[in-house]
Amino acid sequence: EAQVTQNPRYLITVTGKKLTVTCSQNMNHEYMSWYRQDPGLGLRQIYYSMNVEVTDKGDVPEGYKVSRKEKRNFPLILESPSPNQTSLYFCASIQRGQAFFGQGTRLTVV
Amino acid sequence: RKEVEQDPGPFNVPEGATVAFNCTYSNSASQSFFWYRQDCRKEPKLLMSVYSSGNEDGRFTAQLNRASQYISLLIRDSKLSDSATYLCVVGPYQLIWGAGTKLIIKP
Repeated sequence: EAQVTQNPRYLITVTGKKLTVTCSQNMNHEYMSWYRQDPGLGLRQIYYSMNVEVTDKGDVPEGYKVSRKEKRNFPLILESPSPNQTSLYFCASIQRGQAFFGQGTRLTVV
Repeated sequence: RKEVEQDPGPFNVPEGATVAFNCTYSNSASQSFFWYRQDCRKEPKLLMSVYSSGNEDGRFTAQLNRASQYISLLIRDSKLSDSATYLCVVGPYQLIWGAGTKLIIKP
């Protein structure tokens, strides 16, 4: 079954404590992307990757890092989380305009 | 001006009614258009692609108007299960997402 697996689903953390949200896809897609979703703002792209070792900033990259060492994995790293990064995060694997999403990570930074 | 704009709603519609909403986009070079559905903060899922000639999938009809730069979604004979947020998406290379239109179908 084609899927994007994102973990954890829920995370509460404290300001400044580094965290990683994992994302893995089994469809061999080259293009992957991270989004955050906040009420009234829709999906905003954080970072994207067009292939292994190729990553680029989206619209709201500040405070985030990513890596793409293998095609299937695209982790999102928050080196020093802050309360304004409290949000719902989605990882997506995209091909020909169709996006396959992970189930989302609801992150709260206190 | 936002690249993709949608009326946030909510649209409150009685069951069985027909409802339509539009989405406008600013980049005239856009080539791919999609409607996604998102249930209550779950992941968005593809509802349908939008083709130049318009297309239909059961009770759902999507249309594209390139001259006026908008796409539309029509839902006929609406069901309670159609209650969701509908996201307009424009491509092809970087997907640009609208903020969504919330639809509530009432019995």
